[in-house]
Amino acid sequence: AQSVTQPDIHITVSEGASLELRCNYSYGATPYLFWYVQSPGQGLQLLLKYFSGDTLVQGIKGFEAEFKRSQSSFNLRKPSVHWSDAAEYFCAVGNGQGGSEKLVFGKGTKLTVNP
Amino acid sequence: DTAVSQTPKYLVTQMGNDKSIKCEQNLGHDTMYWYKQDSKKFLKIMFSYNNKELIINETVPNRFSPKSPDKAHLNLHINSLELGDSAVYFCASSQETDYGYTFGSGTRLTVV
Repeated sequence: AQSVTQPDIHITVSEGASLELRCNYSYGATPYLFWYVQSPGQGLQLLLKYFSGDTLVQGIKGFEAEFKRSQSSFNLRKPSVHWSDAAEYFCAVGNGQGGSEKLVFGKGTKLTVNP
Repeated sequence: DTAVSQTPKYLVTQMGNDKSIKCEQNLGHDTMYWYKQDSKKFLKIMFSYNNKELIINETVPNRFSPKSPDKAHLNLHINSLELGDSAVYFCASSQETDYGYTFGSGTRLTVV
């Protein structure tokens, strides 16, 4: 069974600083990996996903993530954080069964951005 | 146009009542899901339907019953509500040729 660990429950950065959110996964086959963002009172929005090809994937809002199979990691990065990036971030791993896909989520990392 | 819409957005009810949450998607996706997000923000899958057929049924009390009248709709009916059912319930959909979900904005259920 797949699982996801997000080691950081809460991260605080200053506006304009760089950001890296950590994600480690466990899955026996080729993982399908995702990052979602949830703003307060909102649903989850897909930032980016990886299932094959280039291990550095670009997403929306200036985010990118790098898949490292040797480290079972899929860390999310942004070079310069904006105040509007304050939200909860979730990493997820899927089983790649497109029509019956089961996503397992990490427990989330809450990002606070200081002015 | 909202891609995945849930109603109601908020639901406050007493223990023992029966309630339903509705979900509709206009994306033409084949698969729909219900997820539960607890007070610690942990998301866990409950059910999944593919083209009106139940394909994922996690360990969920049988007081929860999903119904899919067509592939664009997936409703969740909950009988005999308990305090522990208080959570945010998210509907989502996906397409077989793509990976990842599109989520609705959630229904916050509070049982008092």
